[in-house]
Amino acid sequence: EAGVTQSPTHLIKTRGQQATLRCSPISGHTSVYWYQQALGLGLQFLLWYDEGEERNRGNFPPRFSGRQFPNYSSELNVNALELEDSALYLCASSLGLKEETRKAFFGQGTRLTVV
Amino acid sequence: QKEVEQDPGPLSVPEGAIVSLNCTYSNSAFQYFMWYRQYSRKGPELLMYTYSSGNKEDGRFTAQVDKSSKYISLFIRDSQPSDSATYLCAMISLYNQGGKLIFGQGTELSVKP
Repeated sequence: EAGVTQSPTHLIKTRGQQATLRCSPISGHTSVYWYQQALGLGLQFLLWYDEGEERNRGNFPPRFSGRQFPNYSSELNVNALELEDSALYLCASSLGLKEETRKAFFGQGTRLTVV
Repeated sequence: QKEVEQDPGPLSVPEGAIVSLNCTYSNSAFQYFMWYRQYSRKGPELLMYTYSSGNKEDGRFTAQVDKSSKYISLFIRDSQPSDSATYLCAMISLYNQGGKLIFGQGTELSVKP
């Protein structure tokens, strides 16, 4: 069974541009989470999507946005890129919100570099 | 004060040693506890998942949760050089916020042959 897949693996953008990152969850998983892992800052929660709806977002500015498609895949968009947006962006998926189904599995991440 | 505290290390041990990794937390609403292993420049890999106090064992790994002390541990027996990685604890609150994981800073472990 395929795990969480993310694309692209690496992305280099110029300050002020927009970046689009993609995530395909494990088959059958309806919840998708996005995290930012910047150097020295640990994993910070960005967004949570479930059944096509944004359910929660972390303390990030509105230029971080996303969506979840009917097939449960998800996109993260970062507008007006800043140098400090350079980080590993991780997507995770889970089956549901009850006990065992809360297990979250991560993809390999997209490394975004803003120059 | 951070909700989840984890010593960043680095921790260096000889091959075959028992490794103890720990996290403390302040939010009594945390009910689900996870340990992830992250190799350099890779995504975190789920190692252990518990949602009650007590011990859970899986091969060389044992996860321990003490909710009264707000303290969780991961023990690695017979450590191997391939265990060298960063270990992250993560927690989910029972109330609201769905599956939002709150992570510790991660402990960097090095197992020397």
